[in-house]
Formats: sequence, C-alpha cells, structure tokens
Amino acid sequence: DTEVTQTPKHLVMGMTNKKSLKCEQHMGHRAMYWYKQKAKKPPELMFVYSYEKLSINESVPSRFSPECPNSSLLNLHLHALQPEDSALYLCASSQVAGTGGPGELFFGEGSRLTVL
Amino acid sequence: GEDVEQSLFLSVREGDSSVINCTYTDSSSTYLYWYKQEPGAGLQLLTYIFSNMDMKQDQRLTVLLNKKDKHLSLRIADTQTGDSAIYFCALRDGGFKTIFGAGTRLFVKA
Repeated sequence: DTEVTQTPKHLVMGMTNKKSLKCEQHMGHRAMYWYKQKAKKPPELMFVYSYEKLSINESVPSRFSPECPNSSLLNLHLHALQPEDSALYLCASSQVAGTGGPGELFFGEGSRLTVL
Repeated sequence: GEDVEQSLFLSVREGDSSVINCTYTDSSSTYLYWYKQEPGAGLQLLTYIFSNMDMKQDQRLTVLLNKKDKHLSLRIADTQTGDSAIYFCALRDGGFKTIFGAGTRLFVKA
C-alpha cells in the first residue's frame, strides 16, 4: 500500500467554524507532513511530525492545530480561519532522514479548503 | 538558504522530447527529485537521482545532473498529452525539509 489518503477532498467553512482535515498512511513511515499549496505555487511546509512528535512548525498561525494520534494518522484542526487560508492542503509521509533510501515524499490528493 | 529555480512554462508538440531544467544553490543534498502534479491532484514522485550520479534513465525519463554547474534536467521522450502537468524540481536538506522549485507547467499540443 503506497497511498496517503486525505479526507475530505473538499471543504467549505465559515470564519467561525471548527473543522478538521484527516490523513492516513500505512506505509510504516514515521515522518508525516502538512503542506499548504496556493494556486500555481509550490507546496509550502507547515508542520512535520517525526515518531508522532512535532518536529517542525514553520511559524504557522495558531488557528491551525496539528495532531498526530498514532504513527498512521495525522490531523489538522482548523478554527477561526481567514479567507486567505483558502488553499489546497496536502498531507505527505516519508521515511525519516538517515534511515536509508531516497526519502521521497508520498503525497495525498489533498483537501481543497475554501474559507468564506 | 537553499534556492531552486525553474522556468515556469514549456510547450511542446506531442511526440517531441521535453526538457525541463532546474538550477540550485546548495550542493549538499544527497538526493534530487522530480515530482509531477496533475490538475486537482497531489504531487507524485516521478524519479530521483543520487548526488554521485550523472545520469539516470527510467523508461521515457532521463535525468541529468551536473554538480559542477548545479544543474538538473528532466528529459521526457515521446511526450504525450497525458504528460501535461506541473513538474517540480526538489532537493532535501538532509533533515525533514524538501525545497521545491516554483514548478514548470508543461503544455503538450496534439
């Protein structure tokens, strides 16, 4: 199984709503990532979890709250978002660097978020 | 910090070869990658090259690496309309960060 599954595929929310994006992988990867991608731009790193612990937070506003309940699951909790947060949110996983192999990222199909 | 640059657009005719170029500033990356993104989808790894290699061929794909000039290229032979996508050159920083280029949008004309 080389898939990263993200739900929902599309999400529309108001600025006062609370919602969550979910991501799941069963490749045994111990590094999981959230990226944000605006139209016609490369993905921007938001968070990295390594062995279920938050390793990197790229100065993301607190209205985005990540959670890694176990080695297969990654969530992104959303609260009080702004219209400029509308984007494609991509989850990815990889082997932890230094454990051998090319360390490529495996991406999900993304969750397209629209904030009204 | 690390910088990865790519041209933004490339247009080719179906059946021709496509060459997408990338330059980078940091030569410490062990692996260099090419990712493909089709409309409305996530990124998928197309191929990668180990930094001590000059060339890697994988079916229609050829990757060339010139470490002296810090130049990476992706050649797609016999380009098809299904190859129309955005292609990202990327490096890994040795840790968890993957640095992406801006992406080259490939248009294939029938």
